[in-house]
Amino acid sequence: AQSVTQPDIHITVSEGASLELRCNYSYGATPYLFWYVQSPGQGLQLLLKYFSGDTLVQGIKGFEAEFKRSQSSFNLRKPSVHWSDAAEYFCAVGASDNQGGKLIFGQGTELSVKP
Amino acid sequence: KAGVTQTPRYLIKTRGQQVTLSCSPISGHRSVSWYQQTPGQGLQFLFEYFSETQRNKGNFPGRFSGRQFSNSRSEMNVSTLELGDSALYLCASSKQGPTGELFFGEGSRLTVL
Repeated sequence: AQSVTQPDIHITVSEGASLELRCNYSYGATPYLFWYVQSPGQGLQLLLKYFSGDTLVQGIKGFEAEFKRSQSSFNLRKPSVHWSDAAEYFCAVGASDNQGGKLIFGQGTELSVKP
Repeated sequence: KAGVTQTPRYLIKTRGQQVTLSCSPISGHRSVSWYQQTPGQGLQFLFEYFSETQRNKGNFPGRFSGRQFSNSRSEMNVSTLELGDSALYLCASSKQGPTGELFFGEGSRLTVL
């Protein structure tokens, strides 16, 4: 069965520091991978996605993620965190034969940013 | 262009009642998905509709149902509410196809007393 694990429930980083959020997935075939961000009281916004090709993908707001098939990982990174990045981050996987809409989400990582 | 609109944003019901939530997708998007978000279970897929047909369904009891209209607007209904149904219900729309990005609404927060 498909599953997504985000090992870190809560991370605190200082403003300006680098960030890496971990995501491991379990899926038999080639997955489609996503990172979403959710601010309090808001819906989810797509940061970036991986379908195929270059394993390093760039997203919005200066985020990037690297797909590593051998490690079943899709970690999210940002070189310098801003206070406005404080939010909850979700990794998600979709089946490659998915005709739309069905994603499996990780439990989320809450990011706090210290001034 | 207008985003995904969910109504109502907040509602309070009592056990045993039923509730209907509405979702208007982005213009041109024919796929509408529904997710339940709770602190304990996280984000769980409920169902997805495309061209008025349910195309995918998650592992929820039959009390949870939905439908989609010809204009792609969707509703979900929960009957015989239980305390555990208290959650944020998120609707997402997308264009056809597995690589379509999901655009989420702000959600409907349901509290069951």
